[in-house]
Amino acid sequence: NAGVTQTPKFQVLKTGQSMTLQCAQDMNHNSMYWYRQDPGMGLRLIYYSASEGTTDKGEVPNGYNVSRLNKREFSLRLESAAPSQTSVYFCASSELGPGDQPQHFGDGTRLSIL
Amino acid sequence: QQQVKQSPQSLIVQKGGISIINCAYENTAFDYFPWYQQFPGKGPALLIAIRPDVSEKKEGRFTISFNKSAKQFSLHIMDSQPGDSATYFCAATPLFTGGGNKLTFGTGTQLKVEL
Repeated sequence: NAGVTQTPKFQVLKTGQSMTLQCAQDMNHNSMYWYRQDPGMGLRLIYYSASEGTTDKGEVPNGYNVSRLNKREFSLRLESAAPSQTSVYFCASSELGPGDQPQHFGDGTRLSIL
Repeated sequence: QQQVKQSPQSLIVQKGGISIINCAYENTAFDYFPWYQQFPGKGPALLIAIRPDVSEKKEGRFTISFNKSAKQFSLHIMDSQPGDSATYFCAATPLFTGGGNKLTFGTGTQLKVEL
């Protein structure tokens, strides 16, 4: 089992360009999440999808959109990239249920915006 | 506004020593406290977690101590090994939110265990 797969692993964009980060999980999890990780800031939740067909904003949603394509896939879109969005982006998934369901993370997409 | 404060930012420990990482939270709705471990180039992975109905949880060399009245919890790594060198994140969440598992993470501690 691959777990949570993120593509691409690395990407460089110019300011104003758009991009979609892809995430797929093969664990049949209901819930999926997008985080960004910045030095000294920890991981911050951008958007999450508790179950197929639902999406909700997290702590830092501005400048991003998401699509829960099906139960396996959850994409993150930057419509007009800004240098402040340079970060490492992590996708995660978990069972739907109480908060003690562990989240399983992918290995991240390293995004640089010039 | 950082709802979960983590310290220290970095930590160097000798092999065989004890590593201690501390976290404090503000939101009294939090009632589940996991720790995640992250190796370079990888995503975080759940290490150990605790609910506030116990004051301590131990799994092998890893122990969480929890002080509900002080709203603080800490990770202790006994007999630290070079393979423990990683970044550690504390986190917190309510157990029941009606949907999703919205973790609030601390800022991370970079641990290096030297020979």
